[in-house]
Amino acid sequence: SAVISQKPSRDICQRGTSLTIQCQVDSQVTMMFWYRQQPGQSLTLIATANQGSEATYESGFVIDKFPISRPNLTFSTLTVSNMSPEDSSIYLCSVDEGQGSNEQFFGPGTRLTVL
Amino acid sequence: AQSVAQPEDQVNVAEGNPLTVKCTYSVSGNPYLFWYVQYPNRGLQFLLKYITGDNLVKGSYGFEAEFNKSQTSFHLKKPSALVSDSALYFCAVRAGGYQKVTFGIGTKLQVIP
Repeated sequence: SAVISQKPSRDICQRGTSLTIQCQVDSQVTMMFWYRQQPGQSLTLIATANQGSEATYESGFVIDKFPISRPNLTFSTLTVSNMSPEDSSIYLCSVDEGQGSNEQFFGPGTRLTVL
Repeated sequence: AQSVAQPEDQVNVAEGNPLTVKCTYSVSGNPYLFWYVQYPNRGLQFLLKYITGDNLVKGSYGFEAEFNKSQTSFHLKKPSALVSDSALYFCAVRAGGYQKVTFGIGTKLQVIP
């Protein structure tokens, strides 16, 4: 299975600032995903990031608030822009290793607190 | 639209007893079903999956799950619970490879020594 790392592991940020979260995979993958897990809640898909194309955002999430980059097959970033306390969550990167396995593998997550 | 229901917020079980964590799903077509576990301050770890074949699937750490098409269920089971099994368990479904994954709300499993 793919090994996924995220930076930072946690951060405390001030309202109105932005934070960029990095996701690194140890193998080339086609599909990468960004999820949000708010306190006591399940995972909500923010967007799907494929290399060489614009990210596809789920309902309720927009590019201006959560810009995503996918410069190559092993790396992606998610930026949380103009943060408010409601953005306090765990942000998780995951990868889909394709039809051979079908399951997604997850990074350790980035715990974000906005004051 | 696909969905997953985990009807129990929390399940308490004594160490050594069998455990069951319930999951029902709704999806168009044949479901791909998954169980993940999340330990405190950790990401999600894959436990097991059902894609096709035998309705009883075995996964990591002695867990297994039974796919029941008529009841649209995919309950997670383990014959003998360990204290170290205490964690948050998520059931998930997708309509096929490369399709969006939908997660349940999660069930907290508490194994009591």
